[in-house]
Amino acid sequence: AQSVTQLDSQVPVFEEAPVELRCNYSSSVSVYLFWYVQYPNQGLQLLLKYLSGSTLVKGINGFEAEFNKSQTSFHLRKPSVHISDTAEYFCAVRRADNTNAGKSTFGDGTTLTVKP
Amino acid sequence: ETGVTQSPTHLIKTRGQQVTLRCSSQSGHNTVSWYQQALGQGPQFIFQYYREEENGRGNFPPRFSGLQFPNYSSELNVNALELDDSALYLCASSPPEGANYGYTFGSGTRLTVV
Repeated sequence: AQSVTQLDSQVPVFEEAPVELRCNYSSSVSVYLFWYVQYPNQGLQLLLKYLSGSTLVKGINGFEAEFNKSQTSFHLRKPSVHISDTAEYFCAVRRADNTNAGKSTFGDGTTLTVKP
Repeated sequence: ETGVTQSPTHLIKTRGQQVTLRCSSQSGHNTVSWYQQALGQGPQFIFQYYREEENGRGNFPPRFSGLQFPNYSSELNVNALELDDSALYLCASSPPEGANYGYTFGSGTRLTVV
């Protein structure tokens, strides 16, 4: 089974400051990794994904994440945040062998609050 | 292209009743997954449908069931509702290339069981 731990439930940060949202995962098999963002009263939107290749992946809205296999981490970063980045962020993993097709395991989320 | 649409947006049901939630997948997407998101938690996988067949299921009891139609739209049915079923139910679709490309989520149906 896979599990995801988002190490910070809440991250407050000032506008234009850098931010890192931390995600660790556990799995006995290879996985794909994803970050999603959820704005109030909306569904989840895919920010970025790691499937294979370069361990640094870039996504939408200026976010990037680095896959670290030895530390089983997939931390999300942004060099300068805006007020509009205030939202809930979810890290997710999915088996790379397509077993139990479609099942993604999500963390409990990190609330990013950007203050002026 | 249209995104994933879910109906209704909000619903209140009484314990023991049955409920049907509906989802229209994004154009070109043939796979639909359903997730339950309790307050303050991440989404939990319920099941996935591909070509009108369930091809993946999470740890949910049989009273959670679903359908997928030839136009790839889907329904989630929950029988004998319990108070703990109160949650946001999210539908997500993915293209024929697979969920590796990430899901497109709808805005969800907020179910309250009283």
